[in-house]
Amino acid sequence: EDQVTQSPEALRLQEGESSSLNCSYTVSGLRGLFWYRQDPGKGPEFLFTLYSAGEEKEKERLKATLTKKESFLHITAPKPEDSATYLCAVQAYSNSGYALNFGKGTSLLVTP
Amino acid sequence: DAGITQSPRHKVTETGTPVTLRCHQTENHRYMYWYRQDPGHGLRLIHYSYGVKDTDKGEVSDGYSVSRSKTEDFLLTLESATSSQTSVYFCAISDRGETDTQYFGPGTRLTVL
Repeated sequence: EDQVTQSPEALRLQEGESSSLNCSYTVSGLRGLFWYRQDPGKGPEFLFTLYSAGEEKEKERLKATLTKKESFLHITAPKPEDSATYLCAVQAYSNSGYALNFGKGTSLLVTP
Repeated sequence: DAGITQSPRHKVTETGTPVTLRCHQTENHRYMYWYRQDPGHGLRLIHYSYGVKDTDKGEVSDGYSVSRSKTEDFLLTLESATSSQTSVYFCAISDRGETDTQYFGPGTRLTVL
């Protein structure tokens, strides 16, 4: 059974304090690994898709990396507006309709 | 935002009543999905559609049915709502359903008393 585990569950950072969020996964046949950002009361907002080990993608202060067992979302010099819940999801070849299996998320709070 | 709307955005209903949630897209995407989000769980797939009148079950489909009579609309029906169906429901769309991105709607918060 496919599993996605995100850690830590919650993270508090000072503005400018860089850190990483972890997403470990077990899946039979990975098609893609997705990162989303979710603000309170809103739907998930797409950030990145990674397809193969060694791949990296960047967007502003965020950088996502992928290995065969886990993905990291690195946040460099975060700002308060980066506060949100970050969701990781995997898509397997066996998933019905190419559905996503989500982790429970990491809640990030960045204080001034 | 991708052109996805959900209605209603909030609903309170009583146990045993039927409820229909609507997802409407303006992107002409083939695939549409219904997920639910609950504390302590990740988003979980309820049903999905891969074309007009083509639907299939997801991980947590019991107690739910869906219909898709037009490309742009995907309806989720709770035939007889229960308190365990209190949740936030999200619709998502994808243009080819492969490794293409799924875009999510704003969600519907449903409370079943």
